[in-house]
Amino acid sequence: NAGVTQTPKFQVLKTGQSMTLQCAQDMNHEYMSWYRQDPGMGLRLIHYSVGAGITDQGEVPNGYNVSRSTTEDFPLRLLSAAPSQTSVYFCASRGQVNSPLHFGNGTRLTVT
Amino acid sequence: QKEVEQDPGPLSVPEGAIVSLNCTYSNSAFQYFMWYRQYSRKGPELLMYTYSSGNKEDGRFTAQVDKSSKYISLFIRDSQPSDSATYLCAMFLDDKIIFGKGTRLHILP
Repeated sequence: NAGVTQTPKFQVLKTGQSMTLQCAQDMNHEYMSWYRQDPGMGLRLIHYSVGAGITDQGEVPNGYNVSRSTTEDFPLRLLSAAPSQTSVYFCASRGQVNSPLHFGNGTRLTVT
Repeated sequence: QKEVEQDPGPLSVPEGAIVSLNCTYSNSAFQYFMWYRQYSRKGPELLMYTYSSGNKEDGRFTAQVDKSSKYISLFIRDSQPSDSATYLCAMFLDDKIIFGKGTRLHILP
């Protein structure tokens, strides 16, 4: 059972480049979300989705886009990478309301 | 006042000791409390999930919730070097999950 799978594990971008971080889950979870984790800042919610076709902004959405065309996949797009987006990105999903989040193992992104 | 407060540590204890990790929260409406463990370069993994006040035990781990004091704790008995990790508390408010910033724990062999 794979759970939540994130690719790539590591990525280096130059300022201004765009890229997509992939997230897939095989637990048939309706809710999926993206977090970034920075030293001293904890986990901060970027975007989330409560089902296919539905997305909403979290705490720090600027510079990121998401879409949810299937239950399984929830990609995160960086439109024009900036050094401030250097971080570790985690995708997480959960089943019913108030059930715990299941996390992937993250993508480490460096923007130079 | 922050919604969830957690001492960042690091907390260093000798192997075999009992570890106590704590979080305080400000909103009495919080419910469904969780503890996650995060190893270096890995994602957070769920350790404990509880709703009511009182204790919940799972092996060497005990989660304690005191809703009257707005205080939750995670106790680790017979601590092992493999317990060295960052521990995050988390709780639900109206279907929104709030995380503490995590406590770094080092178990010294």
